[in-house]
Amino acid sequence: EAGVAQSPRYKIIEKRQSVAFWCNPISGHATLYWYQQILGQGPKLLIQFQNNGVVDDSQLPKDRFSAERLKGVDSTLKIQPAKLEDSAVYLCASSLNPGWVGYTFGSGTRLTVV
Amino acid sequence: TQLLEQSPQFLSIQEGENLTVYCNSSSVFSSLQWYRQEPGEGPVLLVTVVTGGEVKKLKRLTFQFGDARKDSSLHITAAQPGDTGLYLCAGDNAGNMLTFGGGTRLMVKP
Repeated sequence: EAGVAQSPRYKIIEKRQSVAFWCNPISGHATLYWYQQILGQGPKLLIQFQNNGVVDDSQLPKDRFSAERLKGVDSTLKIQPAKLEDSAVYLCASSLNPGWVGYTFGSGTRLTVV
Repeated sequence: TQLLEQSPQFLSIQEGENLTVYCNSSSVFSSLQWYRQEPGEGPVLLVTVVTGGEVKKLKRLTFQFGDARKDSSLHITAAQPGDTGLYLCAGDNAGNMLTFGGGTRLMVKP
């Protein structure tokens, strides 16, 4: 089966610019997650979707980050405006349902804010 | 907020040595997962442990879940250079949200 697809793989932007990341989960996976992984740290959950509804976005900095999952399939994560501390790898993961033990991660998008 | 602490943070060993990585928390988890992540890639699931005291083996890797389901360990026997990577533990609570530890970066030298 095809894995979780993410694009772009790399992005370099200046601070205060906007950026968007795209994720296509494994077909049939109802649950989609966005994680932020700062260099040298473990991934931190930003937002969890169940189909096209938000389950948990308590750790999403909503003043600058937004995410949507229209039609319950693909998802986009946007940062506007970006700050230097947003430099990180943004990982998308999906699972069959919330109770499924084990996520499949995409390769991530490495964002550098200069 | 549930926290998972991994130790050691860094480990550099010679090929053929054994090692153990620890994952500790003060919180109880319904399950605990171990992932391995290589540079430029996303984490890849190695194993999920669900029952307190459970032991699972994956070739030279042995995973154990603590009796109280608050901690776990990963033991690698006769490490090989191919085992090099970032090892992450992640706890799943009843809300089905994974909380990751900070990771253990392992380097196995030939």
